[in-house]
Amino acid sequence: QVQLQESGPGLVKPSQTLSLTCTVSGGSISSGSYYWSWIRQPAGKGLEWIGRIYTSGSTNYNPSLKSRVTISVDTSKNQFSLKLSSVTAADTAVYYCARESSSSWANWFDPWGQGTLVTVSS
Amino acid sequence: QSALTQPASVSGSPGQSITISCTGTSSDVGSYNLVSWYQQHPGKAPKLMIYEGSKRPSGVSNRFSGSKSGNTASLTISGLQAEDEADYYCCSYAGSVFGGGTKLTVL
Repeated sequence: QVQLQESGPGLVKPSQTLSLTCTVSGGSISSGSYYWSWIRQPAGKGLEWIGRIYTSGSTNYNPSLKSRVTISVDTSKNQFSLKLSSVTAADTAVYYCARESSSSWANWFDPWGQGTLVTVSS
Repeated sequence: QSALTQPASVSGSPGQSITISCTGTSSDVGSYNLVSWYQQHPGKAPKLMIYEGSKRPSGVSNRFSGSKSGNTASLTISGLQAEDEADYYCCSYAGSVFGGGTKLTVL
């Protein structure tokens, strides 16, 4: 079965760029009609969808983060990545990657990675 | 897109049934968009419990069911068990917007 694993620095300085990678195992990132998404969760708070990418390279981003987010995919490595620029303390959160499925009227995230905590601090 | 509205907390005793609501607008939950539901235990990643409004993934107990009426989607858990104690989130197709989450306490 497909499994996802996030990796990247756990500490980022304010104003710098947060960079995370999600490695997909147990299946090809290019197989099936799936999107690959990033979702985050500040401590003690709810979930926030950041954005998604299709293996063709097409992307969609949360309008509230769009100006700072870039999601890319490397099919040769079975990975997709997140870059969030100009970070502040408000970007401190657990970041999850997830596979996203969709139908005509719905989407859903399954499976999820275990999550990685990123702290923005000097 | 505005966040979907969920009650902050619900509780029930073992064996009872509880329902968690997820209220949106005519533009998201009330339209043709169907929600998904996720269970999250402390320190763990969310787990898909319901998709396309009422479908259960393989391996999810049939004690979990989803429905919709107007602008409100609902997750019902019957035969409540201690292991059901967790946070639950709904998510709308429109904008992939999540609800604020509901903490379920099993008394």
